[in-house]
Amino acid sequence: DAKTTQPPSMDCAEGRAANLPCNHSTISGNEYVYWYRQIHSQGPQYIIHGLKNNETNEMASLIITEDRKSSTLILPHATLRDTAVYYCIVRTPLGDSNYQLIWGAGTKLIIKP
Amino acid sequence: SAVISQKPSRDICQRGTSLTIQCQVDSQVTMMFWYRQQPGQSLTLIATANQGSEATYESGFVIDKFPISRPNLTFSTLTVSNMSPEDSSIYLCSVRGLYTEAFFGQGTRLTVV
Repeated sequence: DAKTTQPPSMDCAEGRAANLPCNHSTISGNEYVYWYRQIHSQGPQYIIHGLKNNETNEMASLIITEDRKSSTLILPHATLRDTAVYYCIVRTPLGDSNYQLIWGAGTKLIIKP
Repeated sequence: SAVISQKPSRDICQRGTSLTIQCQVDSQVTMMFWYRQQPGQSLTLIATANQGSEATYESGFVIDKFPISRPNLTFSTLTVSNMSPEDSSIYLCSVRGLYTEAFFGQGTRLTVV
């Protein structure tokens, strides 16, 4: 089962910041939080990941709470092209130097003009 | 990053037939995976494609139904055998290093009639 819970859908006005929440209350100390998005009819696209510290790249910022039980993905200036399903995933290490990603239902983000 | 080419991008097949999906990566990758995404659903891992050995299947998926080949580090195939309408899904190829982010192909949209 997925280790994350997300709201099923959200709206955001174009040009505003989109803040997507994710709960991962059972996360372990060595598990990373990953975010992907899937635009309609395309394969998932990697956005960002983090362990403890907040992270920022050219696409988004990731804010992780101090207790690591939740996080927020921030798209600073949402555009219509950001309409997609956003998946918050906990990267679970496996014993053989590998890891697995268990996908939850995601949040369908709709950017409105 | 890795560029992944999946073929075919879509197909409509008769029940009882088989379809082989190809995944070609532009660089050598450690890990290759096949996912299924049923209509309106999230991603479910089918199997890990192992180079030079049998694939590792997840619970609920078997080799007879989903035979997988991986002859080298840049190519893999997934066959959906003896298809039924329930096999109508998007099938996605994914690649990554041991601890790097995963990249996805555009997917193969399969409709079984």
